[in-house]
Amino acid sequence: DTGVSQNPRHKITKRGQNVTFRCDPISEHNRLYWYRQTLGQGPEFLTYFQNEAQLEKSRLLSDRFSAERPKGSFSTLEIQRTEQGDSAMYLCASSLLSAGDVLHFGNGTRLTVT
Amino acid sequence: DAKTTQPPSMDCAEGRAANLPCNHSTISGNEYVYWYRQIHSQGPQYIIHGLKNNETNEMASLIITEDRKSSTLILPHATLRDTAVYYCIVRLPGSNYQLIWGAGTKLIIKP
Repeated sequence: DTGVSQNPRHKITKRGQNVTFRCDPISEHNRLYWYRQTLGQGPEFLTYFQNEAQLEKSRLLSDRFSAERPKGSFSTLEIQRTEQGDSAMYLCASSLLSAGDVLHFGNGTRLTVT
Repeated sequence: DAKTTQPPSMDCAEGRAANLPCNHSTISGNEYVYWYRQIHSQGPQYIIHGLKNNETNEMASLIITEDRKSSTLILPHATLRDTAVYYCIVRLPGSNYQLIWGAGTKLIIKP
């Protein structure tokens, strides 16, 4: 079990640029989640995939955010036209369909928008 | 809206039991309560979950009140490595996948 892997660990970008993050879940896990976390707060749900299907997105998720999970394996999260308010830790988690809400998290990608 | 309430911070002496309370008075009858913790600069780590009965695993014990309006996470012999933010979590009503995370309890274990 190599755990959930996220790349890059850190990303600094200028306002207005596009960024893409990658998540490699635990290999047999069919569920994949993206969360965002700002300093001093708990994680905030962004979106959920079951295999390759995106089944749920947060109502608060801006149209500038898009996520994919081609072939039900790794996932990417893209933020277009970044804003300073997008600065946060972006966390990916995976789980088995049979495991309820027992999620395995990666160590996140920290985004700083200058 | 279903949500959880936790104290923002707690201290505990090393070797003693750490008891972390959580209020979830609006939880629905068939929803589980989950506990996770987050050590600085790492992703959250699952600890334990329960529905009605008390639960125990190698990490902790979970005591849920009979009316299910509150629960307590117990770390029986806290070590310095247990210093972390502890989150008590329930699902967003109407969602199959969204968990509601509050700000958690910052637990500091003191030598």
